[in-house]
Amino acid sequence: AQSVTQPDIHITVSEGASLELRCNYSYGATPYLFWYVQSPGQGLQLLLKYFSGDTLVQGIKGFEAEFKRSQSSFNLRKPSVHWSDAAEYFCAVGPAGGGNKLTFGTGTQLKVEL
Amino acid sequence: DVKVTQSSRYLVKRTGEKVFLECVQDMDHENMFWYRQDPGLGLRLIYFSYDVKMKEKGDIPEGYSVSREKKERFSLILESASTNQTSMYLCASSSNAGGVRGYTFGSGTRLTVV
Repeated sequence: AQSVTQPDIHITVSEGASLELRCNYSYGATPYLFWYVQSPGQGLQLLLKYFSGDTLVQGIKGFEAEFKRSQSSFNLRKPSVHWSDAAEYFCAVGPAGGGNKLTFGTGTQLKVEL
Repeated sequence: DVKVTQSSRYLVKRTGEKVFLECVQDMDHENMFWYRQDPGLGLRLIYFSYDVKMKEKGDIPEGYSVSREKKERFSLILESASTNQTSMYLCASSSNAGGVRGYTFGSGTRLTVV
């Protein structure tokens, strides 16, 4: 069965510092991979997605992620974090069965220190 | 702008009440999902539907039922609300067109059962 692991529950970075959020997946075929962001009290917003092709994908808000098949990873990065990036970030993999279901990780809470 | 709309942002219900959470999407998506989100547990799939009148159990269906009479509307029903169903409930939809494109989420309903 497919699964997603986000090993860091909480991460704190200073504003202006670089950021990397880790995501490891288990999937039996070529995966579709996603990163979502959730601001407090809100739903989830899609940051970026990987289907195939170039393993470095660009998303919204200056985020990027790199797919590494050999490491089963899809880490999210940002060169310089802004205070408004404080949120919870979820990695997801799919599809899984009917309805093109996604499997989500447990999330990483990002705190940005000013 | 395409949307998934959840009828209530905040809801307070009493133990034993029958509770309806409504979700409407305007994107003509085939698939709709109900998740609950709890701290440290991430998103857990309750039910999903890949067509009108079709439904499938997710990972935690106990205590819940769903209804999808029209393509755009997917309702989550708590037959007899209990305090352990206090949670954030997220609705999402996705299309089958063009492969796996990920979900569009609603803003969530925070349900408190007292």
